[in-house]
Amino acid sequence: DAGVIQSPRHEVTEMGQEVTLRCKPISGHNSLFWYRQTMMRGLELLIYFNNNVPIDDSGMPEDRFSAKMPNASFSTLKIQPSEPRDSAVYFCASKGLGSYEQYFGPGTRLTVT
Amino acid sequence: KQEVTQIPAALSVPEGENLVLNCSFTDSAIYNLQWFRQDPGKGLTSLLLIQSSQREQTSGRLNASLDKSSGRSTLYIAASQPGDSATYLCAVHSSASKIIFGSGTRLSIRP
Repeated sequence: DAGVIQSPRHEVTEMGQEVTLRCKPISGHNSLFWYRQTMMRGLELLIYFNNNVPIDDSGMPEDRFSAKMPNASFSTLKIQPSEPRDSAVYFCASKGLGSYEQYFGPGTRLTVT
Repeated sequence: KQEVTQIPAALSVPEGENLVLNCSFTDSAIYNLQWFRQDPGKGLTSLLLIQSSQREQTSGRLNASLDKSSGRSTLYIAASQPGDSATYLCAVHSSASKIIFGSGTRLSIRP
């Protein structure tokens, strides 16, 4: 398996623009997680899905952030409009049913100028 | 609210030394504890996962211990090598799906 795939790997955008981050979980995994990593706040859980259904979005910082999982093999994290303080590395992770281990993607480094 | 603390934030040791990384957590009601490694610009790689009923896990030169009652875990690295240089993250599973991460210890092994 190729592991968790994220795209793009790097994104540079201007303040006010819409940003869409993409994630393909490991095939057969039923849970998907979005995290954000910054120097100030470390690694934080934004939202997670079980069987394509959002379970806990309490970590989503503002209404500007939204996440979808239209099917078991694809998820998006959208920021609209983006702000400089959204600059961070965004990780996607997935795990299988009955397992505790989450497998992380390589991350998307977002820079908002 | 669960809080996970890792001390020190950075550590530099000469090659060949044994070392211990520390992790503490405030709520002992955890599912599991997991240690990850993160290389610069990369994602997280799982090193060891200790279930709440276990006291320790070993993998090669790595040994992780868990003491739930005191809210502590340690990651022991034997005979350190320059390739061990990375950031090590402690993560507490507060539920079957939610993980709370520490801020990490940045480890540098000097040749």
